Amino acid sequence: DSGVTQTPKHLITATGQRVTLRCSPRSGDLSVYWYQQSLDQGLQFLIQYYNGEERAKGNILERFSAQQFPDLHSELNLSSLELGDSALYFCASSVRDRMNTEAFFGQGTRLTVV
Amino acid sequence: QQPVQSPQAVILREGEDAVINCSSSKALYSVHWYRQKHGEAPVFLMILLKGGEQKGHEKISASFNEKKQQSSLYLTASQLSYSGTYFCGTVPNAGGTSYGKLTFGQGTILTVHP
Repeated sequence: DSGVTQTPKHLITATGQRVTLRCSPRSGDLSVYWYQQSLDQGLQFLIQYYNGEERAKGNILERFSAQQFPDLHSELNLSSLELGDSALYFCASSVRDRMNTEAFFGQGTRLTVV
Repeated sequence: QQPVQSPQAVILREGEDAVINCSSSKALYSVHWYRQKHGEAPVFLMILLKGGEQKGHEKISASFNEKKQQSSLYLTASQLSYSGTYFCGTVPNAGGTSYGKLTFGQGTILTVHP
């Protein structure tokens, strides 16, 4: 158990809908990272938050947004969902704002868009 | 930009050794290695930092050539439990918020047979 909690574990929704994925980082970790993993794209970095502020941005679509709350949990919002958004979404956390230490991954949320 | 891993797949018998390579076209701040078993979260193996510092599990060894932006993961005396997909992740040495941007390669599938 990495200490990173993601909910829900599975999500099935229709195209055009909006969903929210939740992540609770390890105790004491201030950074949260979101990744999308699909079969043909591998692990794609989406976005990083550190202590409530956006720090680094990857290939995150405009239909996707994220935030980190004062209690440090984070939410990834996916809207106007398309079939291609079906993937495993991972959240990871680390202590610092820079990647000079290990990141701990949650078990992921499997999103299926039908 | 995504690092490039080679080989794409390796098949071993227990006790054999393997090397997985990772290269980037950018100057790097750090290189990270993770192993992921099917349907599970990636698990941290090793981090190699610019300047020579390394942190990781005792049984794992890796190298980082800063001048060539290349890293190699060495798996010796392989065990069945080593099977999985190995991901190399790189963080660019571009200053500022780029230090939080961990980008993964496409992965190397390692299969260890009895």
